[in-house]
Order: sequence, then C-alpha cells, then structure tokens
Amino acid sequence: KNEVEQSPQNLTAQEGEFITINCSYSVGISALHWLQQHPGGGIVSLFMLSSGKKKHGRLIATINIQEKHSSLHITASHPRDSAVYICAVRSLKTDKLIFGTGTRLQVFP
Amino acid sequence: ETGVTQSPTHLIKTRGQQVTLRCSSQSGHNTVSWYQQALGQGPQFIFQYYREEENGRGNFPPRFSGLQFPNYSSELNVNALELDDSALYLCASSPELAASEQFFGPGTRLTVL
Repeated sequence: KNEVEQSPQNLTAQEGEFITINCSYSVGISALHWLQQHPGGGIVSLFMLSSGKKKHGRLIATINIQEKHSSLHITASHPRDSAVYICAVRSLKTDKLIFGTGTRLQVFP
Repeated sequence: ETGVTQSPTHLIKTRGQQVTLRCSSQSGHNTVSWYQQALGQGPQFIFQYYREEENGRGNFPPRFSGLQFPNYSSELNVNALELDDSALYLCASSPELAASEQFFGPGTRLTVL
C-alpha cells in the first residue's frame, strides 16, 4: 500500500463545477504539499499545509492531522485548471517528500 | 531572479549507455533534490544534495549518482541505462536544508531504447 493515496485518479468536470481531490497518508508528517503539474512536466507548488486551511483565489486546501487526510477544492472550475494535481507529504522520519500518484483533472468548456 | 533550470529537456539513449542530467538551482538556494517520475506515477525521491554533500538517498541503485558544485548547481549521472530508467527526471531546489518548500525545474524527459 502506498504511503500517500489520492482519489480519484482521474476526474472530468464541466466548466464551473466545484471539484474536490482527496489525499490520505499513513506516515507521520511535518507538512503536506499540493502541487500542480501541466502536460509539459513542470511542477508548481500550490499550497504547503501543516494544519487547518489555506485559500488562494479559487483554490482551497484543508488538512485534518488526526485523520491523516487532506483535500484540495477548486471552485468555479475552468479549462485552464486541467492538469495533474499531486499531493506530497514531508516525512517526519526521513525529512524527505513522499508523493502520491496524482489526480488527472480535465475541465471541459 | 532565475528559477530552476534543467538541461537537456529531452534525451534519447540506448540500453547500457551512460547519461548526465544537469540542474541549475534558483539563485540563493543551496539544497537540490532529484526525483524520477515514471509515466502515470508520482515522483520518487532519488537523492538530495546540501552544500555539495549528499544528504539522503532514496531506494535507487548505486548506478544513480550525483554531484553538487560550489555554485550549488547539480548533476545526476546514470550508468548502465536500463529500459525502466525511461522517465521524467525532476530537480527541485530550496533555500536551506530545513526549508519545507521546494521549487521545481521543468524536468528532463529521458527515453531509453
């Protein structure tokens, strides 16, 4: 079993829909990251969380440390949001990042 | 401020060959991490360099080796290439070892035939 699990693996939405991507992890962490990867391969950091909730524009990230779970929400989705969204945790044991396999999101006009 | 850059962007090699990938860290960053991302998978940690010394290594064989230079740029070398080495290789830099946030480069896509 992977130490970081994401769901769903693939997600298709119509423009304007509210989207939720989930991440569960099984290791002790010091921080959780949400990353965005476009088809070219480059990765952009969206959020870094250690507790609570963060908001940036139409993106909201939450984390529940007790339940070892985080969610990334996109409000009023747009075709330019189409990308792979990756959850990564910084392991308390190794201090290195462990990545989920990503959620591929496609938003259609 | 220049971001993280990697070269080359694409590379095709054959089995048994050797390859060197390069990464220039963001200005002021002294820590570089390398990751391998196979198609459809999340990145896997290869190793990290801090001030020219290796600081942690993932589950990769010794034929994966690295180097960090005094200007904090870095190289990833892979010897005796195998078909399964085909992947996107990402490097990420951070301003200090303890910094949580990493800044990723665009990656080098390696194809081994």
